[in-house]
Order: sequence, then structure tokens, then C-alpha cells
Amino acid sequence: GAVVSQHPSRVICKSGTSVKIECRSLDFQATTMFWYRQFPKQSLMLMATSNEGSKATYEQGVEKDKFLINHASLTLSTLTVTSAHPEDSSFYICSARKDPPYEQYFGPGTRLTVT
Amino acid sequence: ILNVEQSPQSLHVQEGDSTNFTCSFPSSNFYALHWYRWETAKSPEALFVMTLNGDEKKKGRISATLNTKEGYSYLYIKGSQPEDSATYLCAFSYGNEKLTFGTGTRLTIIP
Repeated sequence: GAVVSQHPSRVICKSGTSVKIECRSLDFQATTMFWYRQFPKQSLMLMATSNEGSKATYEQGVEKDKFLINHASLTLSTLTVTSAHPEDSSFYICSARKDPPYEQYFGPGTRLTVT
Repeated sequence: ILNVEQSPQSLHVQEGDSTNFTCSFPSSNFYALHWYRWETAKSPEALFVMTLNGDEKKKGRISATLNTKEGYSYLYIKGSQPEDSATYLCAFSYGNEKLTFGTGTRLTIIP
């Protein structure tokens, strides 16, 4: 199997606070993990590529100081939304790449609401 | 900007009927086309990865075809069952590992 967990599944936080989301590959090691965001009625948009032991690569328009990514082990990547604002409210979902077959396996996602 | 489009956006199908929907993508610099099934409150589940023009893949009652020259893929479901109700996503990659997703087709099977 290739199971990816994500925690928490839902979080509500106040504006100005930081929130950490964890993504774990449970039964395989993943040198590469990906973080996506989905706004209502839109597609999954890649935010950043997380590589174990090195700095994440961010997509154009994604603020690296706001969305801190740490991939400290082969089974865990974290996304921290710093100084969250209501416009950061969204659905965040991670995937982990299993090598081979180089397929991406997704977590169930995290619904973030910033009040 | 890469555009991956899926149609229709949503679909209601009677149980037992067959159905299909479309994913269109840029035909240049093609690398792979992925199909995922995403049930509510669960993780998207990989259905197919297709790389070759003319590829046809099958998994039970679900199959997919690929035309890279014209930039489209069809997903077919034969004899729809209630458990087929989900959002079906396609994603395109163009030579690297990054996936560009469509907005999905939301399928509801009516018992």
C-alpha cells in the first residue's frame, strides 16, 4: 500500500496566529512531498515541492515566508501557515511521491478556517 | 499557463448506466496524464497513469483512453454503481514531476 496521513483534518484559528499541518507517509519513504491548495470550485494548485533535507521549492506567487515548509525526515513534511489571515482560509492537501513507481499518493487534506 | 479542462463539471447517472467524461490538456511537451478518484472526506485515489498516445487502461469497470496528439483523455465507467459516486480528477505533467490538475467532474450515481 501507499498511505499518506494528514493532521489535523480541520482547524480553526484566529487571525494573526500560526498553524502547522503535518503530512506523513505511513508505509513508505518519500524524498519528495508536495503541498497543494484548493479554493472553492477551483482545481488543486501546487504551492511547493518539499525535498527531504533541503529547502522547499515554491511556485510563483506563493510566499515562502508565509508558508513555511519543513521536510525533516523521509516520512514527514510540515506546512506552517504563519500570521494567518482570513484569505488563507482554504483546503490544503499534501502528496508524497513513492519511488518507484514515482506516483503521487495524497493525504485526505486539511480544512483551514481563519477567523 | 497550462490549462487542464474537464467536462462536464457534474453529472448524474442512473445506477446501471454507463458514462464517460473528458479531460483536455496541452498537447505540447506531454509527459503523463493521471486520473484520480476523490471521494468526500477521503484521499484522492490514483486510478491510472498514461504516457503513450493511444494508451488504453482498465481497472474493473473503469477504463481510460489517451490521445496526446489532440490533447484529450476519456474516462469511461461501465454499469455505474453507487460506490462510483465521487469527483474524478485528471492531472497533466509535462516532463517533470509537477502535476497540473483540472477542476474535476463530480459524478453522482442515482440508485
